[in-house]
Formats: sequence, structure tokens, C-alpha cells
Amino acid sequence: GIQVEQSPPDLILQEGANSTLRCNFSDSVNNLQWFHQNPWGQLINLFYIPSGTKQNGRLSATTVATERYSLLYISSSQTTDSGVYFCAGINQAGTALIFGKGTTLSVSS
Amino acid sequence: GAVVSQHPSWVICKSGTSVKIECRSLDFQATTMFWYRQFPKQSLMLMATSNEGSKATYEQGVEKDKFLINHASLTLSTLTVTSAHPEDSSFYICSARTGFGGNQPQHFGDGTRLSIL
Repeated sequence: GIQVEQSPPDLILQEGANSTLRCNFSDSVNNLQWFHQNPWGQLINLFYIPSGTKQNGRLSATTVATERYSLLYISSSQTTDSGVYFCAGINQAGTALIFGKGTTLSVSS
Repeated sequence: GAVVSQHPSWVICKSGTSVKIECRSLDFQATTMFWYRQFPKQSLMLMATSNEGSKATYEQGVEKDKFLINHASLTLSTLTVTSAHPEDSSFYICSARTGFGGNQPQHFGDGTRLSIL
């Protein structure tokens, strides 16, 4: 089955809007991370969040490990937030990072 | 901290050429390094995992003789695409992690765009 599932697949926002991205993960995956891949392909670590809530500026993330989901909140979105947001988790063997298919965010001014 | 440098960032070469991509951890010792491939508008797919001083572990469907991985030191891993063909054109990204445990975060390089003509 699908180990890491993200929604929505695409999101279009006006600058200034807030958004919530969701990541559901199976029992075989843990230690969630969120990444932002910018239009140049660079993959930026946003959060390493196995559980609980973390905040960094306009971004915050919450993982509820017992319910197997994580949420990424983007507030007051800016055009520079555009790109693909991936969540990923470590497999049970601890050997591989399993990525979701990503959410493509487009923020227009 | 935790900077991973990948070089080159862009390669265009003729079919049949072998291409080497370097991945370096600049400010930490990377016990484990990973190589991913990403096709346009798709997710990252793990190709192989390498531990320093050991042979790489390849994911199912990845040809060992096609994608040669060397992890000779705690700060450097290389991926060589041998006799590259147009279907090997892709975005290749490396990552590095300290320790063997899955609870250590991975830090990614900026990727290499490989275009085979």
C-alpha cells in the first residue's frame, strides 16, 4: 500500500492567503520530515518532526504520530513559497527515506 | 551547519559518455549517503544507499553496473553514470546523514541535472 500520501496534489493561492498541506503515513514509516523544493530543484529541509508541533516563521508543522498524519501550515503566503512540498518518512529498517508525491504550490501576486 | 555540496549542478553530454557526480558533506561526517533520482514532475526515488567503506546497497530495479557508487571517505560519495543514454537524463540528488540510525535527519545537496543528447 501507499506509505506516504500527500494532499492536495496541487494548490493555487493568492499572495497573503493561508494554507494547510496534509501528509498521511502508514505504520511502516516514521520520523517525518517536510521539504520544500524550489523551482531550481533545491530541496530545503523545513521540519524534522516525528511528533508534536514546531514553528519557523510563517511555517509550522504538526505531526500526530498515533493517528499517522502530519500537517504543514503556511501563513501569509508569498510568491517565493511556490514550489513543491514533500513529506517523507523513514522506513522501518531505518535505511531509506520514503517520499510522498508532493504538493505543488503556486502563489500569485 | 549540515551543508551538503553536490557537483556539477548541470551536465550536458553525448550518448555513451560516462558522467561522475560528487556529493560532499562540508561540515559534518556523513556515515551514510543516499542517491536519489527525480524525473520531471515526479517524486524523489531512492536509487542506492552507501555507508562509508562498504559497498552500496541498490534499490530494486537500479542497475549496479550502470550506476557506480563509491563512498571512500566520511565526506565524499560519487555516483558515476556509465555509458549514459538519453533515458538516463534526470535530476540526481544526494543526501547525507550522520550515524546509522533512522532518527537522524538527512541533508540534501542541490542536485545535478543530467541531460544526455
